[in-house]
Amino acid sequence: DAMVIQNPRYQVTQFGKPVTLSCSQTLNHNVMYWYQQKSSQAPKLLFHYYDKDFNNEADTPDNFQSRRPNTSFCFLDIRSPGLGDAAMYLCATSRAGSLNYEQYFGPGTRLTVT
Amino acid sequence: AQTVTQSQPEMSVQEAETVTLSCTYDTSESDYYLFWYKQPPSRQMILVIRQEAYKQQNATENRFSVNFQKAAKSFSLKISDSQLGDAAMYFCAYRSANRDDKIIFGKGTRLHILP
Repeated sequence: DAMVIQNPRYQVTQFGKPVTLSCSQTLNHNVMYWYQQKSSQAPKLLFHYYDKDFNNEADTPDNFQSRRPNTSFCFLDIRSPGLGDAAMYLCATSRAGSLNYEQYFGPGTRLTVT
Repeated sequence: AQTVTQSQPEMSVQEAETVTLSCTYDTSESDYYLFWYKQPPSRQMILVIRQEAYKQQNATENRFSVNFQKAAKSFSLKISDSQLGDAAMYFCAYRSANRDDKIIFGKGTRLHILP
């Protein structure tokens, strides 16, 4: 089945230690998103790629970076995680120009910062 | 800027009963899409139902239906014959029909199903 896959599902890192979360998709969608979701809150968009074009949200801290080496993969790099960065990180995809415009979400990576 | 408001942080419904979740939005655009997403505890967010703004007919997906009132900018979700598996956080979401592909989420409504 076509899907959005996130690895790892659970990640523990130390304060200040760089961490990378990965997302892959078999949907061949041209738009990929990274969201941060804290407990009982709505997902907060960090940035998204429209094809190779990177779109950063104005309030996304510089501590968060992203890479998209090809259509299928996208990475979220947190350069120096702080305690406040502990959250669920959701990857999503969509096909721009499609009639539905919906986003398909991965299962998320829960990040713990110790 | 567009906004999405869900005024009910939590709701409860008896199993097999019907419940309606409210959502209002604000936009100056005429062409857009509205969604309800479901996020069960510790599980993946999935699309429940979508509505194209240019369609007057309310969308329906099995036990889920919407009441779309474009003039009032209201988009409520009705769940009929509620089941235990419907327990989740429900997010109302808006997406412009232009090239800006971002979705704007409401804050969510946590739905409890009482056995």
